This record gives sequence, C-alpha cells and structure tokens, in this order.
Amino acid sequence: QVQLVEFGGGVVRPGTSLRLSCAASGFSLSNHVMHWVRQAPGKGLEWVALISYDGSQTYYADSVKGRFTISRDNSRNTLQLQMNSLRAEDTALYYCARVSSYSSGWYSFDYWGQGTLATVSS
Amino acid sequence: QSALTQPASVSGSPGQSITISCTGTSSDVGGYNYVSWYQQHPGRAPKVMIYDVSNRPSGVSNRFSGSKSGNTASLTISGLQAEDEADYYCSSYVISRNLLIFGGGTRLTVL
Repeated sequence: QVQLVEFGGGVVRPGTSLRLSCAASGFSLSNHVMHWVRQAPGKGLEWVALISYDGSQTYYADSVKGRFTISRDNSRNTLQLQMNSLRAEDTALYYCARVSSYSSGWYSFDYWGQGTLATVSS
Repeated sequence: QSALTQPASVSGSPGQSITISCTGTSSDVGGYNYVSWYQQHPGRAPKVMIYDVSNRPSGVSNRFSGSKSGNTASLTISGLQAEDEADYYCSSYVISRNLLIFGGGTRLTVL
C-alpha cells in the first residue's frame, strides 16, 4: 500500500543545516507532484514547498525561499528537503505529502507521511 | 501571503449539522477551484476530506460536503458523530504565484 516515511529530523543550532528525506513505497514517485508541509508545535499547517514530476519546477513559501531546497530522486523513490540557515521559527513537524491522482491541479493531497520533527534551538 | 480565515472553533451535538467557513480573496479561494479540506486528529497526520471545492475522495463519508461562494469556501458535516471531533483545515492555491496557503484551522467539538 502507499506509504510515505519521513526521516532526518533532529535538534540543531540556529544558522545550521538539516536535510530531511521522505521514502515513498507502494507507488512510483515519478507519477506524482510532491510537497512538504510543516506544523509548528501546537500550531496550524504551513505549506513549505512543491516539486514537479521530474523536478524541473520548484516553488517555495516566502518564509523559506532562498534557505530551503526541495529535490527528488525518482530512481530511488525519495524526496528531500535541504534546510539551510535554520531559525527557531523553523521548528516544526515536517510532513511530505503526495498530490492526489484525482485532483485536476497540483494542490490537493491524498497521502501524508507521519512527519519528522526538526527542532532549532540554541 | 496571509492565511485563509477560519473560525477558531465550532461545536455541535451528535446528529446535528455544522458548517466551517474558509474566507480568502479573489487571488486564492475565489479565483480557482482548488480548495481542499483536511481533518486532523491529535497526534495524527492530516486526512483529505474534500478536494477541488466539492469532491469527496473514495472512503470519506457522504456526511462531509464542500461548497464555495465568491471568496468563501465551506465544509458542512451532517449527522455529527463523536469521531468527527478534530481540527479542520482548508487550503487553496494562490493564483499566479504557484503557492498553497492554509487556513488557521478550526477545532470541532462534538458536545
């Protein structure tokens, strides 16, 4: 069955970097646009970034633009999020999410992972 | 880009119907039919309940329905059940910027 498993979270100092990964199984990643969405502790959902089927198009939230990079390796069925110049406000549970096969756009998700927690603290 | 506006909380008794609103602008909710609704129980990942304004994924109860009028989208849950108690988030595509924005979330309490 479809599974998304995120990993790579941890506790880091402000100004440092962290690389998150999302391993997809049960489907071919190359057939889906993918997103990262985050949720700060006790807060709501915040969209982070999206990547097109082949990685040729990427888009970012203003809050992370220039610091985060989304990428994918379709041959390994994995999605990545490179996070640089981290700030305390980047502390959150980071989810990878698959765009629905049924939606006509790139903006509705049918599967989410369970998330990986990134904590930025001095 | 500001978040979409949702009520912080709504409540209802079992069997009743409730509606959660999601207000945006003509650049997001009002401009395109890419509004989705997600249900999130504590400690769990979100689950899609409605996509593209009014479409219900396979496996989601027909007690859930979505609609849109102008810049406001709505999620209606009929025949409330205890298991519906959760946080609900709307999301919308932002025209011409290829962004996605979420609402602040609504806590549904089943009395």
